[in-house]
Amino acid sequence: AIRITQSPSSLSASTGDRVTITCRASQGISSYLAWYQQKPGKAPKLLIYAASTLQSGVPSRFSGSGSGTDFTLTISCLQSEDFATYYCQQYYSYPLTFGGGTKVEIK
Amino acid sequence: QVQLVQSGAEVKKPGASVKVSCKASGYTFTGYYMHWVRQAPGQGLEWMGWINPNSGGTNYAQKFQGRVTMTRDTSISTAYMELSRLRSDDTAVYYCARDQGAIVVVVAATYYFDYWGQGTLVTVSS
Repeated sequence: AIRITQSPSSLSASTGDRVTITCRASQGISSYLAWYQQKPGKAPKLLIYAASTLQSGVPSRFSGSGSGTDFTLTISCLQSEDFATYYCQQYYSYPLTFGGGTKVEIK
Repeated sequence: QVQLVQSGAEVKKPGASVKVSCKASGYTFTGYYMHWVRQAPGQGLEWMGWINPNSGGTNYAQKFQGRVTMTRDTSISTAYMELSRLRSDDTAVYYCARDQGAIVVVVAATYYFDYWGQGTLVTVSS
């Protein structure tokens, strides 16, 4: 199975900050990577797929980049509603696997 | 609008089975794969498998092979996930999640998930 290492596991940031989260795959996955946001007690929400394509309705302050083994999710100007846990997911091969998550907390 | 509504919380004893339902509305149920993903308390997400609601075909993660069965009833637009021989480490919130890719004319599943159910907490305890 492809392992996805997500870092950091948590971070503290302030509203207005630029935040970057990284996922590294244990082998090349081309651009078969998605990003999700999950708030406490809620289901995940799709933000980005194909490494850099913004899902319809997702604010443009979210962006994704990368291919192969290294990927980043950037939130350009953190808003209060962005405090949540973020997960990446590879869909290059079975089993589909997720990173361990990054919790974005208020500083 | 697309909605996935899951059945309520369950408490089961070790060794028992649980069957979780996921009723879809707002789209053509047979037009998209349905995946199941679980999340243990305070932990990350784990993919369990998918079902093609049109054909009934399935693909299960190897970890769950032999214990999981995914089925569907197209007459009521509902998918089901049954997990047997439950253990304490099966305690988790179980989600159904729709694949974003349509499978109407050609199978164009994407294997990422655009709509999720609200989750069903399954607690396994003696």
